[in-house]
Amino acid sequence: DGGITQSPKYLFRKEGQNVTLSCEQNLNHDAMYWYRQDPGQGLRLIYYSQIVNDFQKGDIAEGYSVSREKKESFPLTVTSAQKNPTAFYLCASSRREQNTGELFFGEGSRLTVL
Amino acid sequence: AQSVTQPDIHITVSEGASLELRCNYSYGATPYLFWYVQSPGQGLQLLLKYFSGDTLVQGIKGFEAEFKRSQSSFNLRKPSVHWSDAAEYFCAVGASGNTPLVFGKGTRLSVIA
Repeated sequence: DGGITQSPKYLFRKEGQNVTLSCEQNLNHDAMYWYRQDPGQGLRLIYYSQIVNDFQKGDIAEGYSVSREKKESFPLTVTSAQKNPTAFYLCASSRREQNTGELFFGEGSRLTVL
Repeated sequence: AQSVTQPDIHITVSEGASLELRCNYSYGATPYLFWYVQSPGQGLQLLLKYFSGDTLVQGIKGFEAEFKRSQSSFNLRKPSVHWSDAAEYFCAVGASGNTPLVFGKGTRLSVIA
């Protein structure tokens, strides 16, 4: 079955450590996205990528980094510069040719910084 | 730029009662509109979407939504709520050119017996 796989589902890290969240899709979608979710805040866009080897900052990119070396993969690194990294992170993808931005989501990764 | 407002943070309804969740958007042209549902600790699942044409759209799980351009609204409705509908609901707006969707802050639905 096609879908988006995020790992790990739960992650605990000490303050000051970098953390990388994995996102893999087998939907053959060109575009991929990372959103952050906090209680009462909805979803906020961190980074997105429309094609391989290209990505753009979203609304809250500070303290995060991404890469897009393969169409299937869009890992997110939460760096030590992110002031408040504890959150639920959602990866999504879309079909660029559909041109509507309709998103397909993974199951999310919950990061807790101790 | 697009924006979305979901005025209700939390709604509680009785099982079997009707439901309406409000969504207002801001966008200069005809938007692409979506409703997603999220169970605790899970990803988001698409309930329904509006791109063009008939302004009343049907979705999964018995949900429907109506696009009203004059009111800039896309409210979600269900005639009879089931306990399994308890979740968080997000309205989102998109634009052509694959610009990333903009989400509202969500409405949490509780269902009581």
